[in-house]
Amino acid sequence: ETGVTQTPRHLVMGMTNKKSLKCEQHLGHNAMYWYKQSAKKPLELMFVYSLEERVENNSVPSRFSPECPNSSHLFLHLHTLQPEDSALYLCASSQDYSGRGDTQYFGPGTRLTVL
Amino acid sequence: LAKTTQPISMDSYEGQEVNITCSHNNIATNDYITWYQQFPSQGPRFIIQGYKTKVTNEVASLFIPADRKSSTLSLPRVSLSDTAVYYCLVGDRRAGTYKYIFGTGTRLKVLA
Repeated sequence: ETGVTQTPRHLVMGMTNKKSLKCEQHLGHNAMYWYKQSAKKPLELMFVYSLEERVENNSVPSRFSPECPNSSHLFLHLHTLQPEDSALYLCASSQDYSGRGDTQYFGPGTRLTVL
Repeated sequence: LAKTTQPISMDSYEGQEVNITCSHNNIATNDYITWYQQFPSQGPRFIIQGYKTKVTNEVASLFIPADRKSSTLSLPRVSLSDTAVYYCLVGDRRAGTYKYIFGTGTRLKVLA
C-alpha cells in the first residue's frame, strides 16, 4: 500500500469500551499527526509526533492516549469516551516537523461513533 | 498568533476561474502558506504551497503579495469535481512552540 492508511474506517463503540485507532504511513516520513474533525467544524490538531517523540499535545482529554512505536505507525487509544467525541479522526504525516510549512499527507480517516 | 480568515462559501459555474483569498495578518517571517482540498468524509489533500510571489502547478496557482498578509488560490476552469472545502494553512507560534491550525475553510460549490 502507498500513502497513509487508517484502520478501521468506521467504528461504533459504547462509552465504557476501549478501542484503538491505527495509522500507518508508507512514505518514509518522520512526523505524524492526529486530528479530530467534528461535524461542520475545522480540523483540530490533537497530537504531533516527530521522530517518535511527542512534540505537541493540544490540551486533549486523557481519555485519548496516543502511541507512536516507530516512525511508520501511530495509534490512538480510546477509553471511556463521550458521545461528543463522535467525529472523523484523521491521521497525517509529513517529512519532518520543521515549523516551516511541512506538507502533510492525510489518511482517509476513521469515522467514530460513540453511543 | 497566526489566524487565517477565508470566505465561508463560494459558488461558481463550470469552466470559470475561481479565486479564494485567505487573510493571515500575523504570518511568521519564515512560514510557508499551504492550501488543502477536502471532500466529504475524506482527509484533506495538498494542493499547493508558496512563500512569496507566484507559484503554479498542474492544478492551481497561488498568488502571494509582497507583505504576505494574504494569499489567493486560483483554480482555472473549475469542474463539478472541484466542489469541496478549501483550507489555507499557516503555522501558529506561541511561547516557543509551533503548531498548524486549520481555519474554517471555504466551501466551494461548482454548478453546472
